[in-house]
Amino acid sequence: QSVLTQPPSVSAAPGQKVTISCSGSSSNIGNNYVSWYQQLPGAAPKLLIYENNNRPSGIPDRFSGSKSGTSATLGITGLQTGDEADYYCGTWDSSLSAGYWVFGGGTKLTVL
Amino acid sequence: EVQLVESGGGLVQPGGSLRLSCAASGFTFNYYWMNWVRQAPGKGLEWVANINQDGGEKYYADSVKGRFTISRDNPKNSLYLQMTSLRAEDTAVYYCARRDGYKLVYWGQGTLVTVSS
Repeated sequence: QSVLTQPPSVSAAPGQKVTISCSGSSSNIGNNYVSWYQQLPGAAPKLLIYENNNRPSGIPDRFSGSKSGTSATLGITGLQTGDEADYYCGTWDSSLSAGYWVFGGGTKLTVL
Repeated sequence: EVQLVESGGGLVQPGGSLRLSCAASGFTFNYYWMNWVRQAPGKGLEWVANINQDGGEKYYADSVKGRFTISRDNPKNSLYLQMTSLRAEDTAVYYCARRDGYKLVYWGQGTLVTVSS
């Protein structure tokens, strides 16, 4: 069971918008930056959003991130079939004496 | 161009050992924290361990603490994961990843470890 909670799956039609939630606690999301990763089938994860709401160069502005309290959200607009992938949120967790990294369980996006 | 290339995966019996390597290039290796992250077949990502720039700080997930050891050789631009007392549940693709601040920016392609008799 993952420290961060994500819905197992979401789906929407091409051109539509979808959001993926990531819920944590004060020891992780509540006090640390959240990043999001996209994993296409058979590929390594790829950074999509960092520090809650920033996009690395090359990531289209169809992808956005936000954070409020102990939850974060990834938004994708103008859905394309190429967006079908697994999406993971991640952050540091300082509940132990030393910080360690935690991921959500992942959300599978289906573009119908 | 930043590259991370893992190697050393394979089939090992339960209770056995394996050493993974990650060869880094395209950046100043000793400037960065490095991580190992794994993914069991059909499952999500699980952080395994990380190490600071000079190897003096190391942290481990509870699931591998006491069995796995992360290390690095900065002159060789290499990251390692020594895995002992391997269990079936350690079967996974193991990725090395570079930490930049609060994010894991660069990932390798992964190496598959299968623990089975």
